[in-house]
Amino acid sequence: ETGVTQSPTHLIKTRGQQVTLRCSSQSGHNTVSWYQQALGQGPQFIFQYYREEENGRGNFPPRFSGLQFPNYSSELNVNALELDDSALYLCASSFGVTSGQETQYFGPGTRLLVL
Amino acid sequence: AQTVTQSQPEMSVQEAETVTLSCTYDTSESDYYLFWYKQPPSRQMILVIRQEAYKQQNATENRFSVNFQKAAKSFSLKISDSQLGDAAMYFCAYRSVRDSNYQLIWGAGTKLIIKP
Repeated sequence: ETGVTQSPTHLIKTRGQQVTLRCSSQSGHNTVSWYQQALGQGPQFIFQYYREEENGRGNFPPRFSGLQFPNYSSELNVNALELDDSALYLCASSFGVTSGQETQYFGPGTRLLVL
Repeated sequence: AQTVTQSQPEMSVQEAETVTLSCTYDTSESDYYLFWYKQPPSRQMILVIRQEAYKQQNATENRFSVNFQKAAKSFSLKISDSQLGDAAMYFCAYRSVRDSNYQLIWGAGTKLIIKP
């Protein structure tokens, strides 16, 4: 059973650029959630995808967008990067959304630095 | 809105001793889940333990146990026989069973230092 993987591990961009982060969910999981973790803080929920549809969104602007593919892998896209977007981006996968019991398993994260 | 508070930014403990990390939360709901996650320097968030609010019995996982006080909205983590590998950031998280997206709401974390 493979765990959650994310790519790239590190990324440096300049303000105004666009970035795409990728996540492969754990085998058998159909739900992916994305979180932003600023330095020294707990993660903040960005959005969740379930069976290729957005299933909920946190308090993030529309320039944060995502996709989920038929194999349940996912992308996080951020347009018009701002300095405050510098953070660790975590992806978590789980199975299903109906019962609330599903535990989320996390990938190692992508560290994004915006200059 | 639900909130999670970890009032201890940093804790230290001697190897082989016991340490307790505190977490309080605020919610108007009666059914929910609580989690402790560990984040070592490798950055990967690792699930330590999970508690269902409807269960009165405290969850345990080997050396890790919780003290869940529902009325007080308190959810502390006890680590027994602390090991060097336990050094990490520990995050407490809450999840509603009513929200359709079941997002995790996180505390700010506690840095645990293990002294050899």
